[in-house]
Amino acid sequence: GEDVEQSLFLSVREGDSSVINCTYTDSSSTYLYWYKQEPGAGLQLLTYIFSNMDMKQDQRLTVLLNKKDKHLSLRIADTQTGDSAIYFCAESIGMRNNDMRFGAGTRLTVKP
Amino acid sequence: NAGVTQTPKFRVLKTGQSMTLLCAQDMNHEYMYWYRQDPGMGLRLIHYSVGEGTTAKGEVPDGYNVSRLKKQNFLLGLESAAPSQTSVYFCASSYSGYPPETQYFGPGTRLLVL
Repeated sequence: GEDVEQSLFLSVREGDSSVINCTYTDSSSTYLYWYKQEPGAGLQLLTYIFSNMDMKQDQRLTVLLNKKDKHLSLRIADTQTGDSAIYFCAESIGMRNNDMRFGAGTRLTVKP
Repeated sequence: NAGVTQTPKFRVLKTGQSMTLLCAQDMNHEYMYWYRQDPGMGLRLIHYSVGEGTTAKGEVPDGYNVSRLKKQNFLLGLESAAPSQTSVYFCASSYSGYPPETQYFGPGTRLLVL
């Protein structure tokens, strides 16, 4: 298909790990991204991974990339209430930033 | 340093009315973008600009026009609004336009066309 697919909702308890999954479209995508959108704000880049990597870790965030299945995941360890937001998966399908494809976003709710 | 700002935040239009959405950035970025976001769908690129005085079509340009007369501003116009243009509109900017450089997004404009 031509859509970047994500589950629309995820709910976790504070302190648990959150895993947000994404299936992207183009096996030749060079970069895969995770953006975070907090209420009333624009999207903000959280992290990205180059397509020749399998994993990238940045503090509480772990990104896993499975190129064979075109599957990207974002794991947030020790999830906090401040992590409640919408998380967008995106891929670079061309050489420039105007060639990006975004998912619909996963709304993460963290319950105390 | 305000980043990317959008005006207005929310607007209601009647079918056939026109309006202009304003995007401003104070980061001296060359590239600017307009996206729309519909429920259950990812952001889709409407138009973009690679520098002052330039514009180019994105994935869903029909029904919209844009102008980039000043480097810091990118205007999105709807000449004759239609209910199908009800959406949340995001503006973004970036310095080089090449990945993995991030795009910086504004907070969005929510538009309702009745």
